[in-house]
Amino acid sequence: GESVGLHLPTLSVQEGDNSIINCAYSNSASDYFIWYKQESGKGPQFIIDIRSNMDKRQGQRVTVLLNKTVKHLSLQIAATQPGDSAVYFCAENNQGGKLIFGQGTELSVKP
Amino acid sequence: GAVVSQHPSWVICKSGTSVKIECRSLDFQATTMFWYRQFPKQSLMLMATSNEGSKATYEQGVEKDKFLINHASLTLSTLTVTSAHPEDSSFYICSASLGGSSYNEQFFGPGTRLTVL
Repeated sequence: GESVGLHLPTLSVQEGDNSIINCAYSNSASDYFIWYKQESGKGPQFIIDIRSNMDKRQGQRVTVLLNKTVKHLSLQIAATQPGDSAVYFCAENNQGGKLIFGQGTELSVKP
Repeated sequence: GAVVSQHPSWVICKSGTSVKIECRSLDFQATTMFWYRQFPKQSLMLMATSNEGSKATYEQGVEKDKFLINHASLTLSTLTVTSAHPEDSSFYICSASLGGSSYNEQFFGPGTRLTVL
């Protein structure tokens, strides 16, 4: 069946370092992907998205890379800050508008 | 940006009672609303898709008679957990979208923590 998964469940980085969070997806027909940040006890917060006709998209301190050949998605956070500590989810938006979430990676930023 | 609210933010109820959770889009009209459930340390799982004025579409394994969804207007959807049991304790999150297109962003509510005693 369809699935969106992450390689690493937890990631610990030093403040100021760059963070890379990975995600694998299985539906090669998926054409839209989103990264969300979820803080404890809150709803998901949109970070950045990318369509399948692109392989890279940059935002403020964040970059998403899409490799359709190997069905892999990554989120790069530059100069990670304590406020970036949260769980990060990738999500695949299928053609029906439904979101399929990956398992999540918990990012912990050490001061 | 678009704001989605949920009420209540948390609720504690006795086993066997019913609980209603509201999801509102505050500054836009949402053609489609989605309901998710999230257990501790787990991902969000889609429960159902709700379109204004029509019956909700439930995901496989979600009991439609237990989780009643009503989308009576373009700004309000409700989820009623009927005859709640401790295993229904979870974090329920709604999202709202302008439509069913792949590229329509979903705006998420802050979630409702349900604890069934």
